[in-house]
Amino acid sequence: EPEVTQTPSHQVTQMGQEVILRCVPISNHLYFYWYRQILGQKVEFLVSFYNNEISEKSEIFDDQFSVERPDGSNFTLKIRSTKLEDSAMYFCASKDRTSGYTGELFFGEGSRLTVL
Amino acid sequence: QKEVEQNSGPLSVPEGAIASLNCTYSDRGSQSFFWYRQYSGKSPELIMSIYSNGDKEDGRFTAQLNKASQYVSLLIRDSQPSDSATYLCAVRSNNDMRFGAGTRLTVKP
Repeated sequence: EPEVTQTPSHQVTQMGQEVILRCVPISNHLYFYWYRQILGQKVEFLVSFYNNEISEKSEIFDDQFSVERPDGSNFTLKIRSTKLEDSAMYFCASKDRTSGYTGELFFGEGSRLTVL
Repeated sequence: QKEVEQNSGPLSVPEGAIASLNCTYSDRGSQSFFWYRQYSGKSPELIMSIYSNGDKEDGRFTAQLNKASQYVSLLIRDSQPSDSATYLCAVRSNNDMRFGAGTRLTVKP
């Protein structure tokens, strides 16, 4: 069964360092998402991406964050200068070409980021 | 602000009972509604989706949607210990999907 894959599964970094989290969405999917979940808290929407541009972003997704689809398969989340409060599990998700409001999101297993 | 509210629980039911999970949302323009299950340390996995008012049944699960009341619920019949998890309500408006904080369900043998 096709799945969303994320790397790394766990990354430890020093405050102020740049981090790139990588995702390979399901191959025929067109919509891509990043979410984060701070330990013990809710899953929070960060950004959605379609047709090579951001389509929606939340108030969390500030100038420290950026997303990119550098080739036909990868979808990355970059955090420019990490802060302690960026420590969380980051989930990538993708959705197929079903247009509009239907269609489920398929989630990857997550990348745990620990900022020291 | 697009809010999705859930009772955080914990909700505890005996094995074989019906578990009832509730969710309200603030954005009247919301178009689709989902229930996800999340085990500790794992990613969310989809249980049910519902798009129109009324009930939708899938095995032991029934989702109910009332757009006028901005309310969506999930019933789990014949609850099993393996149903013990956090249940996340998710609401989509346009191209973002927002989650509630989740309700932790424990099914006791």
